[in-house]
Amino acid sequence: DAGVIQSPRHEVTEMGQEVTLRCKPISGHDYLFWYRQTMMRGLELLIYFNNNVPIDDSGMPEDRFSAKMPNASFSTLKIQPSEPRDSAVYFCASGDGDREETQYFGPGTRLLVL
Amino acid sequence: AQTVTQSQPEMSVQEAETVTLSCTYDTSESDYYLFWYKQPPSRQMILVIRQEAYKQQNATENRFSVNFQKAAKSFSLKISDSQLGDAAMYFCAYRSAYSGNTPLVFGKGTRLSVIA
Repeated sequence: DAGVIQSPRHEVTEMGQEVTLRCKPISGHDYLFWYRQTMMRGLELLIYFNNNVPIDDSGMPEDRFSAKMPNASFSTLKIQPSEPRDSAVYFCASGDGDREETQYFGPGTRLLVL
Repeated sequence: AQTVTQSQPEMSVQEAETVTLSCTYDTSESDYYLFWYKQPPSRQMILVIRQEAYKQQNATENRFSVNFQKAAKSFSLKISDSQLGDAAMYFCAYRSAYSGNTPLVFGKGTRLSVIA
């Protein structure tokens, strides 16, 4: 299996621009998580899905952030408009709910908002 | 809410020696999982080891082992025969065992340096 795939790996944009991060989970996994890593706050959950349905989005910072999972093999995290404080590494992870085991992380997207 | 605390922001170890990274957590749940993840400079999150709370036996993966003390809510990672490739950030993480695959709660991490 190719593992969790994220794109782009790096993104540099200017304040006010729209940013879209993409994730392809491991085939067969029915849970998908978006985490954000910053120096100040560490690793924190933004939102997670089960069977393409958002379960908990309480970690989404504000209305500028939105996430979708239109099907079992694709999810997006969108920031509109972006701000410098959104600069972080965004990780997507997927997991198998039936086995209740661990989560497997993608390589992350490093976002820099100027 | 559950919390995870890693009290050692940085640690160092001589190559081939043993080092222990500390982690404590707070929860009112009785059924949960604990993890150690490694994050090298590439920033990839790599699972090192996992422990189920209902298992008394400490998990072991090659040179990595844990000391799980459920009553004390302590979950330390021991790395034996340290290698240069072990240098990385290490994160302790907690996950509830209820209702499927729940989100991970992470500690702030410990940066491990390995000295040749």
